[in-house]
Order: sequence, then structure tokens, then C-alpha cells
Amino acid sequence: EIVLTQSPGILSLSPGERATLSCRASQSVRNSYVAWFQQRPGQAPRLLIFGASRRAIGIPDRFSGSGSGTDFTLTISRLEPEDFAVYFCQQYGTSPFTFGPGTKVDIK
Amino acid sequence: QITLKESGPTLVKPTQTLTLTCTFSGFSLRTSGVGVGWIRQPPGKALEWLALIYWNDDKRYSPSLKTSLTITKDTSKNLVVLTMASVDPVDTGTYYCAHMDYSSFTFDYWGQGTLVTVSS
Repeated sequence: EIVLTQSPGILSLSPGERATLSCRASQSVRNSYVAWFQQRPGQAPRLLIFGASRRAIGIPDRFSGSGSGTDFTLTISRLEPEDFAVYFCQQYGTSPFTFGPGTKVDIK
Repeated sequence: QITLKESGPTLVKPTQTLTLTCTFSGFSLRTSGVGVGWIRQPPGKALEWLALIYWNDDKRYSPSLKTSLTITKDTSKNLVVLTMASVDPVDTGTYYCAHMDYSSFTFDYWGQGTLVTVSS
């Protein structure tokens, strides 16, 4: 089973700042099959990025993903008020399709 | 428009079997490449992938729960059922079903989730 580690656990930033979130896998992820999800309080997760760097339908271009192998990054170029949420990475290259523990982006 | 909705009991006693139903619209599980998965989330904690069923009836399970989980589909009724045997209080959480297909290979549409409490 591939174990995902996310860092930092909490990221305290101000609106307009840049957010950089990390996801590290315990072994190489096949085909860079890494996704990023946003979860706001009381809501279901929303797919932001798949295939490490491809934005899902309707996702603003301030969200970008990068990485390969075992190291992946989600970048939010300029934080909007609605971006303060929890972000999970997931690998779906090898079953079981595991999730990371999450990074909370909160308002500084 | 793809939608999914989970349904099932809100309260289950320990050792009982939990049965959850995912009713969906806007896609068919007869279509090549389509799948429906289940994911759960204990209160305040991370997401946990549970199971996935594909259009061809191929099934995948979380190894840690494999002996207690069963996922099935009814393509004529557009639903997927997840059963979990012998539940424990640690199984308390929100259970989500979600759609996947070849466009992303991961969960691009999610249900609203259903909260299940396991308690005597």
C-alpha cells in the first residue's frame, strides 16, 4: 500500500498570498496518478487536480499541480477567501487508492 | 449532469451489518471505463478509500477492510450498494460515494455524504 504524507499539517496565510502544499508518497506513483481535493467545512471533497497537473473542469487557474515519482505539489498562486479549506492528495496509480492526511489552509 | 446520493441508516449497533446505497444519475455503469467508489471520513479526520466497482464488475477493496466489505451494482436501477459486516464504533463517520471514469481515472463527482454512527 502506498502511504501519502502531506506537509505542512496547517498552513496559516493571508488572502492574496501564495500557498504551496506538499504530498510525498512512500513509493513511486504509477503514471503520476495523483489528485488533489479541496474540502470546505460541511461539504464533500471537490476534485481540483488530477494526473498531478491537470485541472479539473471549472477549477480556476490559480490552482496548479506539479511533481512526479514520489513528490507532488499543489500551488495556489493567490489565495482567495473561499480557498481557506482542507486539501487532500490521493494516489490512484495502485490499488488501494490511498489519500493523504490533509493540509489545512487557514487565515493568518 | 452527474449526481450521486448516499442513503442508509444513521445509527447502527456494534457487530451489526451496515448497508449503504448510492443512487446516481447522469451516467451509466454499463459504459466502459466508468466506476463508482466509496470513501469515508471519521469526524474531523482524513478521507479513507474503501472500495470501487467498475463497469465490468471488477472490484477493488481496501486491504484493511477487505474481509468485511462487499460492493455490488445494479445497472438497471443505477445504484451501487456497499455492505460492511460487523461494524465497530471506529466505523463512525461520513460515507461518500463518488463517480470515476477514463477522463480523470479518479473521483470527479461526489455525493453529499451520509453520516453513520455506530453505537449501542
